[in-house]
Amino acid sequence: AQKITQTQPGMFVQEKEAVTLDCTYDTSDPSYGLFWYKQPSSGEMIFLIYQGSYDQQNATEGRYSLNFQKARKSANLVISASQLGDSAMYFCAMREGHFGNEKLTFGTGTRLTIIP
Amino acid sequence: ETGVTQSPTHLIKTRGQQVTLRCSSQSGHNTVSWYQQALGQGPQFIFQYYREEENGRGNFPPRFSGLQFPNYSSELNVNALELDDSALYLCASSPVAVQGNEQFFGPGTRLTVL
Repeated sequence: AQKITQTQPGMFVQEKEAVTLDCTYDTSDPSYGLFWYKQPSSGEMIFLIYQGSYDQQNATEGRYSLNFQKARKSANLVISASQLGDSAMYFCAMREGHFGNEKLTFGTGTRLTIIP
Repeated sequence: ETGVTQSPTHLIKTRGQQVTLRCSSQSGHNTVSWYQQALGQGPQFIFQYYREEENGRGNFPPRFSGLQFPNYSSELNVNALELDDSALYLCASSPVAVQGNEQFFGPGTRLTVL
């Protein structure tokens, strides 16, 4: 089974609209972390937001929020009021394991295009 | 504060050769992770170094090896290059090797194997 699944290869969204990028994960480890990264065409990975498995509240960072549904193993990224600069690849990632044997696993990504 | 830097930016090698990629971690960061990102794919975890020791490894063969130096900079070495090793190699640093700390990525080294 895939550890991280992103089912939307590409999305087109009108500028200023909100957008939700889907991510589901699979792990048997009770302690894990979930990340979202943005990768513009330049190639550099930019950290957006983090959610720990024991965090009670959904993470928020400015226009980014993470809709964490633990029972469904879902960690969707919500971008409010989208901007042209949001056009990029978006990757969901999960950190699992313990000190000495940690791994960060990425999904296949979603290419988001914001339309003016 | 200087961010994560990687060298070289681009590299072309032939099959069977060896390559060394370099990464300087962000100031104050003692953990470095390396990732391989093939075209159109998500990054795949190669390994992580914490205080000069390997601290976790992904599903990569032993011909992928690494080093971390006392100043926390790191090298990724790949022996006996194969065509499938062509990819963007990303280095990321973080303050400590514990869950939850975000990793700061460098711009990557694009390796082409002919």
